[in-house]
Amino acid sequence: AQKITQTQPGMFVQEKEAVTLDCTYDTSDQSYGLFWYKQPSSGEMIFLIYQGSYDEQNATEGRYSLNFQKARKSANLVISASQLGDSAMYFCAMREGINTGGFKTIFGAGTRLFVKA
Amino acid sequence: SAVISQKPSRDICQRGTSLTIQCQVDSQVTMMFWYRQQPGQSLTLIATANQGSEATYESGFVIDKFPISRPNLTFSTLTVSNMSPEDSSIYLCSVGRVMNTEAFFGQGTRLTVV
Repeated sequence: AQKITQTQPGMFVQEKEAVTLDCTYDTSDQSYGLFWYKQPSSGEMIFLIYQGSYDEQNATEGRYSLNFQKARKSANLVISASQLGDSAMYFCAMREGINTGGFKTIFGAGTRLFVKA
Repeated sequence: SAVISQKPSRDICQRGTSLTIQCQVDSQVTMMFWYRQQPGQSLTLIATANQGSEATYESGFVIDKFPISRPNLTFSTLTVSNMSPEDSSIYLCSVGRVMNTEAFFGQGTRLTVV
């Protein structure tokens, strides 16, 4: 069965510093996608970054990068140069069968990030 | 990308009543999903809304409590029936297309049952 684990309930980071949010996953599927979402206090889910299981390069989107270690089944999110507006809940998610039309996405428990001025 | 409009954005309801949440997408999408996020928790998939057929419910969710409609490829509704305070949550609509590497979410409906 697929599973997503985020072991950090809360993280603190100083403004302008980098922070890594951990995510490990478990799946028997060879074709899957990994996602990171940001959820501010307003409740909306904001897509940040995607990594496919067959992608050889780590995904990057602006200040966000995904440290994908397939053998370890980890997909950590790295936020560089943290900003006060980065304070939010962050969810790691996985979708199996992504190349065959799979859509069901499961989410980790989330990590609340606090950026200090 | 897809623009999703979800209504209402929030509501306070009396226990025993029902609330219907609407999800409108600006383009045709293959799949539509409904999630629940209880206070302080992660997202849990309620069901997949299938166009032209009955929704597919996840374990722990039943049609009598969460009836879903999907009359076309751009619209779906979720009804929370016979509400109790335990139903107080954020309900989120999500959509996806084949081979799409993103899952788009609506703004969410913050429901409080008193």
